Amino acid sequence: QKEVEQDPGPLSVPEGAIVSLNCTYSNSAFQYFMWYRQYSRKGPELLMYTYSSGNKEDGRFTAQVDKSSKYISLFIRDSQPSDSATYLCAPRRGRERFGAGTRLTVKP
Amino acid sequence: ETGVTQSPTHLIKTRGQQVTLRCSSQSGHNTVSWYQQALGQGPQFIFQYYREEENGRGNFPPRFSGLQFPNYSSELNVNALELDDSALYLCASRSGTVTGELFFGEGSRLTVL
Repeated sequence: QKEVEQDPGPLSVPEGAIVSLNCTYSNSAFQYFMWYRQYSRKGPELLMYTYSSGNKEDGRFTAQVDKSSKYISLFIRDSQPSDSATYLCAPRRGRERFGAGTRLTVKP
Repeated sequence: ETGVTQSPTHLIKTRGQQVTLRCSSQSGHNTVSWYQQALGQGPQFIFQYYREEENGRGNFPPRFSGLQFPNYSSELNVNALELDDSALYLCASRSGTVTGELFFGEGSRLTVL
């Protein structure tokens, strides 16, 4: 079993849609839960992170962690074409463990 | 503030050859990590250097080796290249704190023929 499972998609939505991106993980020792965004031909960049369980909101983005079910979510409200990218979940204890990434396309 | 820079951006090698990839970490960062990202996959951890010492390694064979220099720049060396080594190689640096954010370079795309 992989440490982090993430549906690679691809996922295509119309502009303005609410997007839900999800990961599951197996190691209950993870403490930080990171989301990275990777544009085509670029390196990943940190989008946001949460510590332990709960929600964290940053503008149109909300990160959610449920440690009891080992489930990580990223919600994007009012999605924009500029959100088109690959989103990588990366739970962390010591170092990040990256999921496969979900490729998202937001169509105008 | 200069970000993480990597060179070369693209290169083509043949099976059995050796390659060296280079990385300049972000100013003030003393921890450098290298990742391999195959097409359609997430980054896979190769190893990490902290103050010139390797302090973590992923599931990669010994033919993957590295160095970190006193100015915290780094090299990744891969010997006896195999076709499956074709990937994007990412360098990332952080300041070494517990919650330190990883800053990635744009990567070196290696093609092995």
